[in-house]
Amino acid sequence: GAGVSQSPSNKVTEKGKDVELRCDPISGHTALYWYRQSLGQGLEFLIYFQGNSAPDKSGLPSDRFSAERTGGSVSTLTIQRTQQEDSAVYLCASSLDREGPQHFGDGTRLSIL
Amino acid sequence: AQTVTQSQPEMSVQEAETVTLSCTYDTSESNYYLFWYKQPPSRQMILVIRQEAYKQQNATENRFSVNFQKAAKSFSLKISDSQLGDTAMYFCAFISTGNQFYFGTGTSLTVIP
Repeated sequence: GAGVSQSPSNKVTEKGKDVELRCDPISGHTALYWYRQSLGQGLEFLIYFQGNSAPDKSGLPSDRFSAERTGGSVSTLTIQRTQQEDSAVYLCASSLDREGPQHFGDGTRLSIL
Repeated sequence: AQTVTQSQPEMSVQEAETVTLSCTYDTSESNYYLFWYKQPPSRQMILVIRQEAYKQQNATENRFSVNFQKAAKSFSLKISDSQLGDTAMYFCAFISTGNQFYFGTGTSLTVIP
């Protein structure tokens, strides 16, 4: 079956612009995660959605970051007024439940000029 | 604070040999889940192996096995009969009951032919 799909695969934008990243999880997966991976770094946990429940937003690095998940399926991560330090690969993952193995998308490589 | 530490940024192993990647973590919780993920140069992260903290038996998946030492908070990954396709970045991950997800900074493994 289809895996986790992320779009766009690459995004280059100017500092100060807003960007929206999309994640389509595997059908039937109730849990969805966003991570940020900077060059040479591990994964930084950003946010986790479980079904239709309100997410814990404490992992988001600043108030310029927001995320939503519509209908318990597709999720979007929005970064407002982008800064150069936002440049990274943004990975989305989904799993059947919180403790299950996470299936990752290919990520969106975001470059802020 | 809950953290995951991978103290070996880079490792190499001869093809067909055995290699062990180390991971330690810090938590005050008694029940949690530990994972090893692999990220090949193609970028997509995939699950290697999963361990539930309440299970004393070490998880095994074909050539991959773990040495889980709960008291020492250690979770090492052993790769037997290393293959060229094992060349990748390996991440140790910890998931707590408090909806927090932590990844280590990774170990870059190179299998030498």
